[in-house]
Amino acid sequence: QQQVKQSPQSLIVQKGGISIINCAYENTAFDYFPWYQQFPGKGPALLIAIRPDVSEKKEGRFTISFNKSAKQFSLHIMDSQPGDSATYFCAANWEDSSYKLIFGSGTRLLVRP
Amino acid sequence: NAGVTQTPKFQVLKTGQSMTLQCAQDMNHEYMSWYRQDPGMGLRLIHYSVGAGITDQGEVPNGYNVSRSTTEDFPLRLLSAAPSQTSVYFCASSPLIGRSGNTQYFGPGTRLTVL
Repeated sequence: QQQVKQSPQSLIVQKGGISIINCAYENTAFDYFPWYQQFPGKGPALLIAIRPDVSEKKEGRFTISFNKSAKQFSLHIMDSQPGDSATYFCAANWEDSSYKLIFGSGTRLLVRP
Repeated sequence: NAGVTQTPKFQVLKTGQSMTLQCAQDMNHEYMSWYRQDPGMGLRLIHYSVGAGITDQGEVPNGYNVSRSTTEDFPLRLLSAAPSQTSVYFCASSPLIGRSGNTQYFGPGTRLTVL
C-alpha cells in the first residue's frame, strides 16, 4: 500500500508564529510532492509543491523542506496568520501514474489572533 | 470558467437508496476523479478516468459506479447506500501532461449522510 504519513493531526499556533507540518513516505518512486490547503466547506486547492531534486522551495510565507534520504518533507508557514487556519494535506505521486495522488491524513491548523 | 462543479451540495439518503452525484468541469481536462474525505483519513480515491469511455478503480471503489461519456461530465453512482458511505465527496480534474506534477482542481464537495 502506497502511503504518506502526516503529523500532527491538529496544530494550534499563535499569530506570528511558525507552523510546521510533517510528512513521511515509503515509496522511493514518488517524484512529486504537493501540499493542498482546504478551507471549511471548500475543496482542497494546490498551495505549493516540490520535486526531490531540490531540498527546499519557498513561496511567500510557505516553505517546503525536503529530505530525500530520510524520505520526509515538511511544510513551514512563517508568520502564521488567522487566515491560514485551514486543513493542510501533503500528497505524493509518481511518474508511472502521473495523475493519481496519494494524500496524507490531513492537519487541521488553527492560528489564534 | 466555472472550474469543477458538483451537485448536490448536501444529500441525505436512507439505507438502500440509490443516487447519483454529479460532477462537471469546463477546463477540457482529460483526467477526472472522485475522492471521499473522512475525518483522520485524508482523501481516498474512489474511481478515476483518463478520458471519455475510460474509467478505473481507485483505493475504495466498492459500492460505487462511474461512467464517462463526455470529457466534461463524470457522475458517481451509489447503487445501494450504506451508512459507511456517509462522507464528503470531492470531484477533481487535471490535464494529462505525461508526467507527475499535474495540479488537481477540486470541486466544492457534496456532503452525504446515509441514515
